[in-house]
Amino acid sequence: KAGVTQTPRYLIKTRGQQVTLSCSPISGHRSVSWYQQTPGQGLQFLFEYFSETQRNKGNFPGRFSGRQFSNSRSEMNVSTLELGDSALYLCASSPTGGYGYTFGSGTRLTVV
Amino acid sequence: GESVGLHLPTLSVQEGDNSIINCAYSNSASDYFIWYKQESGKGPQFIIDIRSNMDKRQGQRVTVLLNKTVKHLSLQIAATQPGDSAVYFCAENSGNTPLVFGKGTRLSVIA
Repeated sequence: KAGVTQTPRYLIKTRGQQVTLSCSPISGHRSVSWYQQTPGQGLQFLFEYFSETQRNKGNFPGRFSGRQFSNSRSEMNVSTLELGDSALYLCASSPTGGYGYTFGSGTRLTVV
Repeated sequence: GESVGLHLPTLSVQEGDNSIINCAYSNSASDYFIWYKQESGKGPQFIIDIRSNMDKRQGQRVTVLLNKTVKHLSLQIAATQPGDSAVYFCAENSGNTPLVFGKGTRLSVIA
């Protein structure tokens, strides 16, 4: 079966701009989680969506937001980009959350 | 908050030897633990998991050991191969809480 698909793979944005990243989960998976990965901080949890509702939220500023659609696809948005937002953004899907997470290959965001 | 940490940031092993990667966790309520492998340019790939009602679980060439008394998790890779070179992360959670990841250990296999 198809894995978790994240688009785009690479993105370069300028400070102050906004960006939207997309994640298509494994078919049948209803939970989608987002993580930010940087060399200094490792993998940090952003938020989790389950059945179109945000179920958990990490410790990130309000510039980071997300949503989930009825087909379980999810998007995350970062507004007013800062240089420190440069990172690999990973999406993971799970049947119901709590276990069985499968990660996508990520979107590499570079803010210049 | 609670965190999951790793003892060693890098590990170099000879091809064919066994590798042991360690992880300490601090949340005594955690009941699910996972090891992931991440190769350059890719997302984390599931290796093996274990629930807190077990202390050992084996997969193909990999074994995870869980010691709840000292809150310690380890990943053993038998007959390490060059393809095992990657960064390895432990992660834990309980119920529907988010996965908490350790910082990662880079495994380098010397041919």
